[in-house]
Amino acid sequence: QQQVKQSPQSLIVQKGGISIINCAYENTAFDYFPWYQQFPGKGPALLIAIRPDVSEKKEGRFTISFNKSAKQFSLHIMDSQPGDSATYFCAARGGNTPLVFGKGTRLSVIA
Amino acid sequence: DAGVIQSPRHEVTEMGQEVTLRCKPISGHNSLFWYRQTMMRGLELLIYFNNNVPIDDSGMPEDRFSAKMPNASFSTLKIQPSEPRDSAVYFCASSSPKPQGGSYNEQFFGPGTRLTVL
Repeated sequence: QQQVKQSPQSLIVQKGGISIINCAYENTAFDYFPWYQQFPGKGPALLIAIRPDVSEKKEGRFTISFNKSAKQFSLHIMDSQPGDSATYFCAARGGNTPLVFGKGTRLSVIA
Repeated sequence: DAGVIQSPRHEVTEMGQEVTLRCKPISGHNSLFWYRQTMMRGLELLIYFNNNVPIDDSGMPEDRFSAKMPNASFSTLKIQPSEPRDSAVYFCASSSPKPQGGSYNEQFFGPGTRLTVL
């Protein structure tokens, strides 16, 4: 059973546009929702994370929107740049459990 | 800090051979995780340790897979015998303890080992 469902699988965005990646979860015990960014040949690295007591968190061009009632959260990349081209993973965890990852979204930002 | 160190970075072996992947977590981190990444299945958690003790190995696909953490600075993932379907990128990650009442600490990933079983 996939605990975190991520969409889309791949995304192509024009330079300067907005990239949006969505995730949904079922486990109401989850209380930590990070996004990881992975470049080819590298391990995933933490990009931004949110706790469910806030509905939005912004760091530079990256924003997480969180909807607790719908059990959904999304990553928005404003003014997308070619350097943002990477694979993005949403994840979730709660209590003493380890992170559960979505299947990833391959983002390509084209000039 | 050098980050999480994995070796080898690439491994090519033949079916039936034993493969050992190695990981050195970040000093001071007490949790260590082994993941497998494939196009089809994404990032799968295989096993994780807290304070060198295996906590959950339910993600280990078969008895051919085993993992050890003899001390706080070293872990191994062994596949014996290896099969072509084991071909994947294997990641090790570590994190420090969650402070009482505080937020979760970041999980740091190593660069991965790309395993090819012919």
